[in-house]
Amino acid sequence: GAVVSQHPSWVICKSGTSVKIECRSLDFQATTMFWYRQFPKQSLMLMATSNEGSKATYEQGVEKDKFLINHASLTLSTLTVTSAHPEDSSFYICSASADSQYNEQFFGPGTRLTVL
Amino acid sequence: AQKVTQAQTEISVVEKEDVTLDCVYETRDTTYYLFWYKQPPSGELVFLIRRNSFDEQNEISGRYSWNFQKSTSSFNFTITASQVVDSAVYFCALTPPNTGGFKTIFGAGTRLFVKA
Repeated sequence: GAVVSQHPSWVICKSGTSVKIECRSLDFQATTMFWYRQFPKQSLMLMATSNEGSKATYEQGVEKDKFLINHASLTLSTLTVTSAHPEDSSFYICSASADSQYNEQFFGPGTRLTVL
Repeated sequence: AQKVTQAQTEISVVEKEDVTLDCVYETRDTTYYLFWYKQPPSGELVFLIRRNSFDEQNEISGRYSWNFQKSTSSFNFTITASQVVDSAVYFCALTPPNTGGFKTIFGAGTRLFVKA
């Protein structure tokens, strides 16, 4: 099946620093990538949808200047958490889709961010 | 509005018991897709099944089976003869038809504990 990787798998950073998370589709071209956030014992909340070469569409309540998304190629999307604060600590999951007919997404393994 | 409800927050069973995870959804679309995902403690989402709204056939895959009832807007998931390795959080999800930017709506998840 289609494989999506995320890097890093976990990161600890100091408050005020920026953190970049990469999401790659390894064996297919992803026309659309999604970024989700998951707090402990909670469901996945969609943060933004990005299509290659265009600006990401953010969900209501998600600060686009805080969470910068770049989808520069059909196999790579990045999420940068700028000036991270402890409340940004969460599990970030990306997914990628190539087959719009079935609306199927392939999920990455997630990145656990801890901001001290 | 679209919504997915998983009323069971946590379920605890003893190994070899059968267990059914409930999922009720709301949508005004006539075409949509329903999914079940498993999220083990490692965090990575594992795709289990996709069902489109026009296919009400029940499906069985090994110890897993799914019952799709469009009349009651339910898509329940049964694990037969549960095993300890089935312990995980299970998410039901709904995706509307692709209109150039589809989104997946996740339920809150059901945490399943299978005791030896």
